[in-house]
Amino acid sequence: DTGVSQDPRHKITKRGQNVTFRCDPISEHNRLYWYRQTLGQGPEFLTYFQNEAQLEKSRLLSDRFSAERPKGSFSTLEIQRTEQGDSAMYLCASSGGTASPFFGPGTRLTVL
Amino acid sequence: GENVEQHPSTLSVQEGDSAVIKCTYSDSASNYFPWYKQELGKGPQLIIDIRSNVGEKKDQRIAVTLNKTAKHFSLHITETQPEDSAVYFCAASRAGGTSYGKLTFGQGTILTVHP
Repeated sequence: DTGVSQDPRHKITKRGQNVTFRCDPISEHNRLYWYRQTLGQGPEFLTYFQNEAQLEKSRLLSDRFSAERPKGSFSTLEIQRTEQGDSAMYLCASSGGTASPFFGPGTRLTVL
Repeated sequence: GENVEQHPSTLSVQEGDSAVIKCTYSDSASNYFPWYKQELGKGPQLIIDIRSNVGEKKDQRIAVTLNKTAKHFSLHITETQPEDSAVYFCAASRAGGTSYGKLTFGQGTILTVHP
């Protein structure tokens, strides 16, 4: 297990289409986070899971966004009816205990 | 909510010089302050962190200082090398319970180290 992995690394879609991203955390980590990063900005918190429970969602996470972590392992982030403003890097991170989150390489989404 | 301000937005130094990046935060309940380095096309990588019960922490060429009264913290990199060139982010959170990974990030500093 070499770290947090994300798939795909890049996604280009047309406005109005649905997209789904996957995150595989470090195997022993029970916490999983999604962040969004736009160009020239720091990452912004979107949502957080402890095991399979989604414990917190940011106001940034509109009702077009949904995240799941069905078995407490991998997670998916779905965006429905994509808009150009959704174009960003979507970062997944995981942590265990009191450790700082480890980030994956991100999925870069471009909405045309 | 928490707000983190980071300065400068860009920093250019000569190899071997020191670099200092400063951040301020607004939430007095924040007690955990990590620093991340992000290279092009990669996710942020933790380089050092500090908790509110200490004022300074050092790891080889990297040090972080924290002033809780003034609500600011700083990253110091000594003897900079070209491979230190990257974007650096400070962050803050209320660590404890479920909050460890809920970080509020600064805007980032683009550090360029010239050989």
